[in-house]
Amino acid sequence: DAKTTQPTSMDCAEGRAANLPCNHSTISGNEYVYWYRQIHSQGPQYIIHGLKNNETNEMASLIITEDRKSSTLILPHATLRDTAVYYCIVRSPYPLGGTASKLTFGTGTRLQVTL
Amino acid sequence: DSGVTQTPKHLITATGQRVTLRCSPRSGDLSVYWYQQSLDQGLQFLIQYYNGEERAKGNILERFSAQQFPDLHSELNLSSLELGDSALYFCASSESTRALNYGYTFGSGTRLTVV
Repeated sequence: DAKTTQPTSMDCAEGRAANLPCNHSTISGNEYVYWYRQIHSQGPQYIIHGLKNNETNEMASLIITEDRKSSTLILPHATLRDTAVYYCIVRSPYPLGGTASKLTFGTGTRLQVTL
Repeated sequence: DSGVTQTPKHLITATGQRVTLRCSPRSGDLSVYWYQQSLDQGLQFLIQYYNGEERAKGNILERFSAQQFPDLHSELNLSSLELGDSALYFCASSESTRALNYGYTFGSGTRLTVV
């Protein structure tokens, strides 16, 4: 699975959009970009995933650059409850040679939403 | 409630002892994944089971073992416990090890403290 690079931490004012970047310059053609978040020692929570098109769901939007070497997770109106560590993960959903497509977590971005 | 149930929520035990952590996956999910999260290591993948069979192994110590039962619940056994085994242990489940899945569902974790 391709490696990802994320900023260690970010701040965002409540009500503003939070834009969390992720670099994945070695991503291969069949690898998807997944985003998870972990709120203070709770189990990680799936947010969104995509291959090359921009995606939106009730939680967030995912913008993937045309060359797919980077992406941005957008929380349109951040609230205090969005304070968490956000993980960007790149992986193939289809296992090769019997190897399961496990999720490999990096260090993530610690997002602090403030009043 | 994510649908993935982990018991117990907290466990305190002495060095050298053996404990068993239990995970019931979300209804219909065949894959179970175990992760360890300690303060200085982040989320580390331990092992995956699919429909009763081991499918992938990560950095799981020889003192640790796991299994998945016919009813699909899974147990993680930790033996000869050391202080360094103190961590949060998460279980996650997903629908299939092969299909494009929309993310893992994590349980709330078991906090193990070895004293």
